[in-house]
Amino acid sequence: GESVGLHLPTLSVQEGDNSIINCAYSNSASDYFIWYKQESGKGPQFIIDIRSNMDKRQGQRVTVLLNKTVKHLSLQIAATQPGDSAVYFCAENLHSGGGADGLTFGKGTHLIIQP
Amino acid sequence: GAGVSQSPSNKVTEKGKDVELRCDPISGHTALYWYRQSLGQGLEFLIYFQGNSAPDKSGLPSDRFSAERTGGSVSTLTIQRTQQEDSAVYLCASSPGLGPITQYFGPGTRLTVL
Repeated sequence: GESVGLHLPTLSVQEGDNSIINCAYSNSASDYFIWYKQESGKGPQFIIDIRSNMDKRQGQRVTVLLNKTVKHLSLQIAATQPGDSAVYFCAENLHSGGGADGLTFGKGTHLIIQP
Repeated sequence: GAGVSQSPSNKVTEKGKDVELRCDPISGHTALYWYRQSLGQGLEFLIYFQGNSAPDKSGLPSDRFSAERTGGSVSTLTIQRTQQEDSAVYLCASSPGLGPITQYFGPGTRLTVL
């Protein structure tokens, strides 16, 4: 089964509000995490990443928090805009060297921004 | 600069036919990845290449699936004797190397098997 999952399949927030998307992972050996945004009909677009030696990283209007103790990842989007409406995926990478080197994705959360 | 491109963008085929999907990675990216995304689902990792070599093919769903990469650039994913359950969006990504490095995705090929 998947080692990365999301708590909520759909999240609806008012434009201008902050949103938080959560993600749980089960592989404590994962060393790299990425949040992707996927708009309808497009491939996933990189938002922000974080390595396992960090617990917080900030970008433009986005912040990723990593809690390794409880194996939890979250994406905070500040002052949401209509263009933020999309499906958001968290993904983890375990660079095993000799094995599969792809990302493991959760099923995604659909973020809906209400006007 | 140019991103990852994939062709065709849409492919409709009949059950039992073979299909070939193409991926052009970002120039200079040595690692290339194939994923499959079923309707409303997350991404399922299929296979990756480092250069022209695919060290691990265990993610491919069946022996009807194969992939190759030539010249360290273009990759093709071939599905033989397509089945309806193969219908999905097939996404390609590339990165400058392996490991904890961001993968950049193409727009995908939507495959529909009738």
